[in-house]
Amino acid sequence: DIQMTQSPSSLSASVGDRVTITCRASQSLSGYLNWYQHKPGEAPKLLIYAASTLQGGVPSRFSGSGSGTDFTLTISSLQREDFATYYCQQSYSTPRTFGQGTKVEIK
Amino acid sequence: QVPLVQSGAEVKKPGASVKVSCRLSGYTLTELSMHWVRQAPGEGPEWMGGFDPEDGETIYAQKFQGRVTMTEDTSTNTAYMELSSLRSEDTAVYYCATDSSGFWRGYFDYWGQGTLVTVSS
Repeated sequence: DIQMTQSPSSLSASVGDRVTITCRASQSLSGYLNWYQHKPGEAPKLLIYAASTLQGGVPSRFSGSGSGTDFTLTISSLQREDFATYYCQQSYSTPRTFGQGTKVEIK
Repeated sequence: QVPLVQSGAEVKKPGASVKVSCRLSGYTLTELSMHWVRQAPGEGPEWMGGFDPEDGETIYAQKFQGRVTMTEDTSTNTAYMELSSLRSEDTAVYYCATDSSGFWRGYFDYWGQGTLVTVSS
């Protein structure tokens, strides 16, 4: 199975901050990397697919980049509604696997 | 939006089975691929299996082979996930999620609200 390692596991930030979350895979994903946002009690939400494609309706302050084994999710200017847990997930091979998550908290 | 409405919370004893439903509205099941993902307390999400639109088959994660069955009722636009021989480690929130990409290597674009399954004696 492909192991997905996210860092940091949690971070504290203020509204307006630029936030970067990284995800490293145990083998190359050929770009098959997706990012999700999850708030307690809600359904997870797809933010980015294929490493850098913004899902429809997702604010442009979210962006994804990377290739091979190393990927990044960036929030350019953190808003109050962005406080949540973020997960990366690979679709390159079966079983699909997720990172352990990065919890973004209010400073 | 593609609302996915799941069945309610369940409490099961070890060794029992649970069947979670996921009703789709706005699209038909034949237009999407349905997957199931679970998340145990304090852990990351875990993919259990899903429909491969390229081969027309349901693929299960090896970890759950022999214990999980995913089915669909196109007449009611409802998907089901049944997990048998439950143990305490199966306590988790179970989600259905759709993939509308049309490819096996897609993404989960819509998710249900989750169903908490608690396994306890």
